[in-house]
Amino acid sequence: AQSVSQHNHHVILSEAASLELGCNYSYGGTVNLFWYVQYPGQHLQLLLKYFSGDPLVKGIKGFEAEFIKSKFSFNLRKPSVQWSDTAEYFCAVDDYKLSFGAGTTVTVRA
Amino acid sequence: KAGVTQTPRYLIKTRGQQVTLSCSPISGHRSVSWYQQTPGQGLQFLFEYFSETQRNKGNFPGRFSGRQFSNSRSEMNVSTLELGDSALYLCASSPSYRETQYFGPGTRLLVL
Repeated sequence: AQSVSQHNHHVILSEAASLELGCNYSYGGTVNLFWYVQYPGQHLQLLLKYFSGDPLVKGIKGFEAEFIKSKFSFNLRKPSVQWSDTAEYFCAVDDYKLSFGAGTTVTVRA
Repeated sequence: KAGVTQTPRYLIKTRGQQVTLSCSPISGHRSVSWYQQTPGQGLQFLFEYFSETQRNKGNFPGRFSGRQFSNSRSEMNVSTLELGDSALYLCASSPSYRETQYFGPGTRLLVL
């Protein structure tokens, strides 16, 4: 089974700062990649996904992620965060079942 | 379209009891997956159903079981509950196998 590693457990930022969250998975093959977000009190929502094609994918709310096959990585970025980006972010890899990373809590200070 | 719905939203049981959780997928979605979310273990895959057949199963004991009906609705059952089964149980649906999954709000189970 896939092992998914998220590099940071908790990230604290100020508004307008840039955000980058790392995600690595354990082995290759044909995988589908996702970032999900869980805002306080809400359920998991899809932020963006990569199935094939352009390795730079754009999602909702100004988020983007880059798939680097040789590094088994799918890092999430946002150039300028807002207070409303405070949430828990999960990377997930689908190789016939969805495996999640442990999650990164992002706190944005106003 | 309405999202994934799960019932009940909250449940309190005692050790040794059994519980059944229900999930209604997004209209038109034929695949339903179940996950357990705990602070210690994170999100763990339980099983996936597609067209009433279990397609994949995670590393959980046989006390955890599920099924899917012809209308794609799904139930999961946990028998002989243990304290460690206390968790948020999430259901996700997708149009078909290996497509994007959309999550419901979850059922929070507390085992006393």
